[in-house]
Amino acid sequence: NAGVTQTPKFQVLKTGQSMTLQCAQDMNHEYMSWYRQDPGMGLRLIHYSVGAGITDQGEVPNGYNVSRSTTEDFPLRLLSAAPSQTSVYFCASRNGQGVGKLFFGSGTQLSVL
Amino acid sequence: QQQVKQSPQSLIVQKGGISIINCAYENTAFDYFPWYQQFPGKGPALLIAIRPDVSEKKEGRFTISFNKSAKQFSLHIMDSQPGDSATYFCAAERGAQKLVFGQGTRLTINP
Repeated sequence: NAGVTQTPKFQVLKTGQSMTLQCAQDMNHEYMSWYRQDPGMGLRLIHYSVGAGITDQGEVPNGYNVSRSTTEDFPLRLLSAAPSQTSVYFCASRNGQGVGKLFFGSGTQLSVL
Repeated sequence: QQQVKQSPQSLIVQKGGISIINCAYENTAFDYFPWYQQFPGKGPALLIAIRPDVSEKKEGRFTISFNKSAKQFSLHIMDSQPGDSATYFCAAERGAQKLVFGQGTRLTINP
């Protein structure tokens, strides 16, 4: 099993550009989520999904869109990138049966110039 | 505002010593308190977790102490080793919906 796979690993954007961060998991997990990691701020939840077709907002959803058309994939879209979105982004998943271990991907380092 | 407050931001401990990281929370509805460990260039990984119905949980050299009345919990690493050098995050969750993290502690174990 590959676990949680994120692509790309690195990305540089110009202000105003759009892009999609990809996340896929092969563990048949119902729950998937996106976090951003910034120095001194820890990990902050952007959006999450408890199953295909269901998404909800986290702590910092503004400027980001998500969709969940399949169990395996949970892409994160930046509609119009801003320098404030420069961060390391992590996708995570877990079995939907109650609380438990979150499995994280290896992250995408995004710079917006 | 930060729902889970973590301290210290950084910590240096000598090999063989005890590392202690503290967290405090406000929301009494939280019912799950994990700790995650992150090495440079990697995603966080679950280290140990506790529910509020117990006051302590131990796994090897790692122990969580939980004080429900004070709304605080802490991670103790006994006999700290250089391989424990990493960033540690406490977290809290209610009802398997939104796991919120503390600010993180960068731990360095000097040989």
